[in-house]
Amino acid sequence: DAGVIQSPRHEVTEMGQEVTLRCKPISGHDYLFWYRQTMMRGLELLIYFNNNVPIDDSGMPEDRFSAKMPNASFSTLKIQPSEPRDSAVYFCASSLFRGEKLFFGSGTQLSVL
Amino acid sequence: AQSVAQPEDQVNVAEGNPLTVKCTYSVSGNPYLFWYVQYPNRGLQFLLKYITGDNLVKGSYGFEAEFNKSQTSFHLKKPSALVSDSALYFCAVREEQAGTALIFGKGTTLSVSS
Repeated sequence: DAGVIQSPRHEVTEMGQEVTLRCKPISGHDYLFWYRQTMMRGLELLIYFNNNVPIDDSGMPEDRFSAKMPNASFSTLKIQPSEPRDSAVYFCASSLFRGEKLFFGSGTQLSVL
Repeated sequence: AQSVAQPEDQVNVAEGNPLTVKCTYSVSGNPYLFWYVQYPNRGLQFLLKYITGDNLVKGSYGFEAEFNKSQTSFHLKKPSALVSDSALYFCAVREEQAGTALIFGKGTTLSVSS
């Protein structure tokens, strides 16, 4: 298996633009997580899905952020409109069971100018 | 609410010496505890976990961690550090009950000098 695949690896955009981050989890994994990593706040959970259904989105910063999982092999995290404070590394992770270890993607480095 | 603390931003050790990276946690019920490692420009990688059973858990690359319920700690240890162990280490916790996800500490940078 290729592991968790995220795209793009790097994204540079201007304030106010829409940004879409993509994630393909490991096949067969029932759980998918979106995390954000910054120097100031460390690694924050944004949202997670179980069997494509959002379970907890309490970490989503505000209405500008939205996440979807239309099928078991694909998820998106969208920011609209983007702001400079959204600059961070966004990680997607998946797991077979909720209590099992997470497999992380390589992340998307987002820079909002 | 669950939380995890890593009191040290950075730990420096000489190669060949033992290392300890500290972690304390707070949960309402029984904890599930994890350690992950992150190398530059990479995602996090699983090292080890404690769910139940023996308080000393052995993981990848010679690392181990000791669960101490009375001190609510889960410190990461290795008897002899390698330069290649230099990385960012994260402790994570979640509650046993349904509906919760992993919460990570802020991370500790381990620097091993030759």
